[in-house]
Amino acid sequence: DIVMTQSPDSLAVSLGERATINCKSSQTVLHSSDNKNYLAWYQQKPGQPPKLLISWASTRESGVPDRFSGSGSGTDFTLTISSLQAEDVAFYYCQQSYSPPLTFGQGTRVEIK
Amino acid sequence: EVQLVESGGNLVKPGGSLRLSCVASSSLFSITWMNWVRQAPGKGLEWVGRIKSETDGGTADYAAPVKGRFSISRDDSKTTVYLQMKGLKIEDTGVYYCTTDHFQVMNNWGQGTTVTVSS
Repeated sequence: DIVMTQSPDSLAVSLGERATINCKSSQTVLHSSDNKNYLAWYQQKPGQPPKLLISWASTRESGVPDRFSGSGSGTDFTLTISSLQAEDVAFYYCQQSYSPPLTFGQGTRVEIK
Repeated sequence: EVQLVESGGNLVKPGGSLRLSCVASSSLFSITWMNWVRQAPGKGLEWVGRIKSETDGGTADYAAPVKGRFSISRDDSKTTVYLQMKGLKIEDTGVYYCTTDHFQVMNNWGQGTTVTVSS
């Protein structure tokens, strides 16, 4: 199974500052057949279901603010919130779909400092 | 955007059974792969399993902790996916979400249904 490890577990950032979350997979999630990274990022606010933010490591979903960006390839990935807003307080999860079983990172809690 | 509505969650004793349903508001349901994902109280997300569309074979994959106890099926005429759970354990307690699977990305999520396994 591919193990997804996020860091840090928790992050406190001042409003307007940058938040960076890292995600590392135990093996590559880059498919050679289509040169795509099978890596997604989800946001989960308290009491709500998760919401897809970014697919294929760096493709932002329609309607997601452009302060959210994803980067990385192979085994190392990053989710960046360029200017943290109050509504961004949430848990964030990375997830690989390179091969079943699909696996999530343990989650990173983002809060306001 | 596809709306997903889960139902069937309940309190059940260890060893018991339960069937969850997820109705999708999508005319493209028949070609959509579907996932079940769960979340134990205060914990992270755990993939339970996935069923492919009938055109892609209609087969299902499962996570190791539920393999042999859980079964996913679908009824395209009712745009519904099911999660049959047997031999429930206390550690199966949590919120169960269904999701659509768009080229291996979970792009739509339901609100979830709560399963509590307790004596």
